[in-house]
Amino acid sequence: QSVLTQPPSVSAAPGQKVTISCYGSSSNIGNDYVYWYQQLPGTAPKLLIYEDNKRPSGIFDRFSGSRSGTSATLGITGLQTGDEADYYCATWDSSLSAYVFGTGTKVAVL
Amino acid sequence: EVQLVESGGGLVQPGGSLRLSCAASGVTFSTYWMNWVRQAPGKGLEWVANIKQDGSQKYYVDSVKGRFTISRESAKNSLYLQMNSLRAEDTAVYFCNLTPIPAAGDFWGQGTLVTVSS
Repeated sequence: QSVLTQPPSVSAAPGQKVTISCYGSSSNIGNDYVYWYQQLPGTAPKLLIYEDNKRPSGIFDRFSGSRSGTSATLGITGLQTGDEADYYCATWDSSLSAYVFGTGTKVAVL
Repeated sequence: EVQLVESGGGLVQPGGSLRLSCAASGVTFSTYWMNWVRQAPGKGLEWVANIKQDGSQKYYVDSVKGRFTISRESAKNSLYLQMNSLRAEDTAVYFCNLTPIPAAGDFWGQGTLVTVSS
């Protein structure tokens, strides 16, 4: 069981917006930056957002991140079929002295 | 171009051992922390361990402490994961991961499958 909780799935029509929540605690999200990863089917994960809200080069500005208190949110606007993937939040947990991933959220484009 | 290539996976009986390797190229290997991350079939990502540039600090997920050992060899640009006392729940694809500069993205290997079964 992960210490970071995400909804199992979210969906929306092409062009719409989805948000994915990530709930943690004071020892993880409340204490350190949040990172978001995208995993397309059958591939390795890829860093999507780092340090709460920054995008690596090559990541479209349709993806955004935020953190408040012990929760974080990933937003995807202008949804495309190519965005269908699993998305994971992650951060360092100071109580566990371990990097922790969220439970993962599958995004479906209707 | 940065490339990470894992090897060493396979089928092993419960209680057995395996050593995974991750060969890095196109990057100054000794400069960055490195991670092992695994994914059980049909399941989510689980961070396994990481190691500091000089090997002086290592961290592990609780479920592998005392059984797995992460190490690195800068001369060979390689990362290792020695896995002992393997259990069925260790069955997963194991990825090595490197994030030199987050602004430039991260790098992952293709993964190597470890299956623990009798």
